[in-house]
Amino acid sequence: GNSVTQMEGPVTLSEEAFLTINCTYTATGYPSLFWYVQYPGEGLQLLLKATKADDKGSNKGFEATYRKETTSFHLEKGSVQVSDSAVYFCALKDPGFQKLVFGTGTRLLVSP
Amino acid sequence: ETGVTQSPTHLIKTRGQQVTLRCSSQSGHNTVSWYQQALGQGPQFIFQYYREEENGRGNFPPRFSGLQFPNYSSELNVNALELDDSALYLCASSSLTGTVPNTEAFFGQGTRLTVV
Repeated sequence: GNSVTQMEGPVTLSEEAFLTINCTYTATGYPSLFWYVQYPGEGLQLLLKATKADDKGSNKGFEATYRKETTSFHLEKGSVQVSDSAVYFCALKDPGFQKLVFGTGTRLLVSP
Repeated sequence: ETGVTQSPTHLIKTRGQQVTLRCSSQSGHNTVSWYQQALGQGPQFIFQYYREEENGRGNFPPRFSGLQFPNYSSELNVNALELDDSALYLCASSSLTGTVPNTEAFFGQGTRLTVV
C-alpha cells in the first residue's frame, strides 16, 4: 500500500538556520504530495502541495519539490524563525480518492 | 482559521462506554473525513462521508461509525471504547464533485479523547 516516511525528530535549530526535513513516499500511480504543519494544541494546516513531478510547492518561505525519480518531497526553508516551531507532516493522496496518507511527523524546535 | 469546527475539544470516557464527536464543515464543502491521531503519530484515515454516504473507509473496526447530515456536518461514533482509542480525532472538510476534488482538505482543531 501507499506509505510516507519522514526523518525522525526532533530537529533542533537556531533562528536563521537552514532547514531540511526529508520525506520519501511509496505509491502506485501519481499521487499528490503535501506538507501539513501542526502547532501545539491545534489541528493541521496545509503548508504547501505539489500535484505532479517536478512541481515546486511554496508558502511562507517553505519549499518542496516533487521528485518522482527519487520518490521524495523534502521540505526546505532558508532561514527558520522561532515561530516555525511545530510538527511537520508529509502526506500523499491518490488521485480519485480523497484519503490522505501521513508520515509520522517531524518536530521542529527553533531557539532564539 | 479554517471554518471547520469540532466539539467537544476535550473528552474523558471510561472503557466500554460510547462516544459521539461532532464536526461542522466549512461553508461550501460537501465532504467530511475523519482521522485518528495517536500521540506522537501521524493521522490515520478512519472514513469519509460524501452526500450523506460513506465514501471510503480505513482499517478501523465496525465499532467506529459515522453520519453525515443534509447540512454536511458529521458525527463520529465509537462504541465499546478501548484504552487504545485515546487519541486526537481530526475532522477535515473538502469539496468533491463525483471523484474530482474541488478543494483540498481543511482540518478542524480536533477533539482530544481520553479513555480511562
